[in-house]
Amino acid sequence: ETGVTQTPRHLVMGMTNKKSLKCEQHLGHNAMYWYKQSAKKPLELMFVYSLEERVENNSVPSRFSPECPNSSHLFLHLHTLQPEDSALYLCASSQASGATYNEQFFGPGTRLTVL
Amino acid sequence: KNQVEQSPQSLIILEGKNCTLQCNYTVSPFSNLRWYKQDTGRGPVSLTIMTFSENTKSNGRYTATLDADTKQSSLHITASQLSDSASYICVVFGGSQGNLIFGKGTKLSVKP
Repeated sequence: ETGVTQTPRHLVMGMTNKKSLKCEQHLGHNAMYWYKQSAKKPLELMFVYSLEERVENNSVPSRFSPECPNSSHLFLHLHTLQPEDSALYLCASSQASGATYNEQFFGPGTRLTVL
Repeated sequence: KNQVEQSPQSLIILEGKNCTLQCNYTVSPFSNLRWYKQDTGRGPVSLTIMTFSENTKSNGRYTATLDADTKQSSLHITASQLSDSASYICVVFGGSQGNLIFGKGTKLSVKP
């Protein structure tokens, strides 16, 4: 994929582990997003970054810590997760955040399983 | 409350048949409505984006309609193929803070 890439694609971790999810966009966009997708639930927006500044944090537990070192890269650092955090984590990017006709391009996701 | 409801929750059809997926929303103010296709284990891919003034929009065998008065949209798939098997997600951009509000999706299975 040349648009939005995510690594790893699958991750299994214990509740005491620390791991990181990585997202990279090759579209020249200025905004990046983390979403959580659980079975039979709508996508939940977690974080929004615009020009490397966090502009939105939707009451996400502190065990999820985002990092955006530049406009092309986004990380999600995970520590002391719970089994209910098991889900598909999707990264997306767009030209800008908050714009009305703002199309988001999604990565393939990381399937996370917390044991 | 801003919500997007999709029906049916799941659908099985035979290859070559047509089908229509429904989306009702209560988002206000409304900016635009999007349909995404999500293959299993993959990220969503945009099919169409429609604004208030657009009634219909096509993308190949996919045709989306929008009735802003009744706050309803549909996605019609013509001559279905096995590769159409996926979840189809309706998303509305709007609300007082300008957010994307996602539906739960309709899971479509196309059988040979």
